Amino acid sequence: NAGVTQTPKFQVLKTGQSMTLQCAQDMNHEYMSWYRQDPGMGLRLIHYSVGAGITDQGEVPNGYNVSRSTTEDFPLRLLSAAPSQTSVYFCASRPGSSGSYSEQFFGPGTRLTVL
Amino acid sequence: GENVEQHPSTLSVQEGDSAVIKCTYSDSASNYFPWYKQELGKRPQLIIDIRSNVGEKKDQRIAVTLNKTAKHFSLHITETQPEDSAVYFCAASPMGAGNMLTFGGGTRLMVKP
Repeated sequence: NAGVTQTPKFQVLKTGQSMTLQCAQDMNHEYMSWYRQDPGMGLRLIHYSVGAGITDQGEVPNGYNVSRSTTEDFPLRLLSAAPSQTSVYFCASRPGSSGSYSEQFFGPGTRLTVL
Repeated sequence: GENVEQHPSTLSVQEGDSAVIKCTYSDSASNYFPWYKQELGKRPQLIIDIRSNVGEKKDQRIAVTLNKTAKHFSLHITETQPEDSAVYFCAASPMGAGNMLTFGGGTRLMVKP
């Protein structure tokens, strides 16, 4: 298993540009999520999905869109990049089952710089 | 929503000493508390977790304690080694479908040889 994969590893954008960060997992996990990590602020939840066709907002959703058309893929779209979106983005997945919790697996991250 | 605070933000210890990192949470419905280790430039990786029906859990040199009444939990690392140097994050979540983790701000642990 490749686990959780993310592309690209690095990206530089100009203010106002749009782009999609890709995330895929091959573990048949129901739950997937996107976090951003800023220095000294830990990981903050952007959006998450509990299954194909179902998404919801996290703590910091503004400026980002997501969709979940398949179990494997959970892309994150930046609509109009701003310098405040400069961060490291982590995708994560975990098995889903009602009433229980399980380990969350993280992807390797995408380092995004917005000029 | 949940709010998790983590202290200290940096911690420096001598090799062989113990290290303790503390977290508090606000939502009494939270009942799952994992700890992640993140080495420089790498992804966070789970090192230990505890559920609210347990007060303490140990795995070799790592232990976690939970006080539900006071809403705090702690990570204890004994006999620290240079390879323990990393950023450690605590997190909290209610169990159940769709509940995601809320993370603390992280603790940078430095183990001096």
